[in-house]
Amino acid sequence: AQSVTQLGSHVSVSEGALVLLRCNYSSSVPPYLFWYVQYPNQGLQLLLKYTSAATLVKGINGFEAEFKKSETSFHLTKPSAHMSDAAEYFCAVTTDTGRRALTFGSGTRLQVQP
Amino acid sequence: GAVVSQHPSWVICKSGTSVKIECRSLDFQATTMFWYRQFPKQSLMLMATSNEGSKATYEQGVEKDKFLINHASLTLSTLTVTSAHPEDSSFYICSARRGLNTEAFFGQGTRLTVV
Repeated sequence: AQSVTQLGSHVSVSEGALVLLRCNYSSSVPPYLFWYVQYPNQGLQLLLKYTSAATLVKGINGFEAEFKKSETSFHLTKPSAHMSDAAEYFCAVTTDTGRRALTFGSGTRLQVQP
Repeated sequence: GAVVSQHPSWVICKSGTSVKIECRSLDFQATTMFWYRQFPKQSLMLMATSNEGSKATYEQGVEKDKFLINHASLTLSTLTVTSAHPEDSSFYICSARRGLNTEAFFGQGTRLTVV
């Protein structure tokens, strides 16, 4: 079985500041890891994914994440926060290439202060 | 990119009635679709995995007779909430995976309110 833990249910940053959202995973086999963003009353949009290729993954909207096996982490970062980044962010894991569902973390709400 | 369309976006129904939610993959064939439930300010919890042409696999604690899932074609899965009660009020989200691709594409969700 696999799981993800997102540290910090709420993160608040100032506009222009660094964004760091933490995600640690647990998996007995090599994982596939994802970050999704959710705006109110909407579905999920994929930000980026790790699929055992490069450990530093670049996504949309300036986000990136680094897979660190030794730390079982997949933290999401963005150098400079924008007001439009305010949303709920979910880290997710799966160990299957196609047929298994994603297991989601509890989510982190990002607030961006002007 | 791949698009998953969910309909309706929101629905209000009376207690005791049934509601059907559709999930369509618009530009790809989805052999597997997933149904999630999300309570306010909480994460997504997997309800069931739906495979085309076969019975859905439900997660522990999910009543299969209450949440009927049908995956009749490679582009359509439906979730029917039968005899809905106020505690069924939630945000329901479907997702679909395109064969061996690891990415899951999500519908926009359906807000169900049972009054």
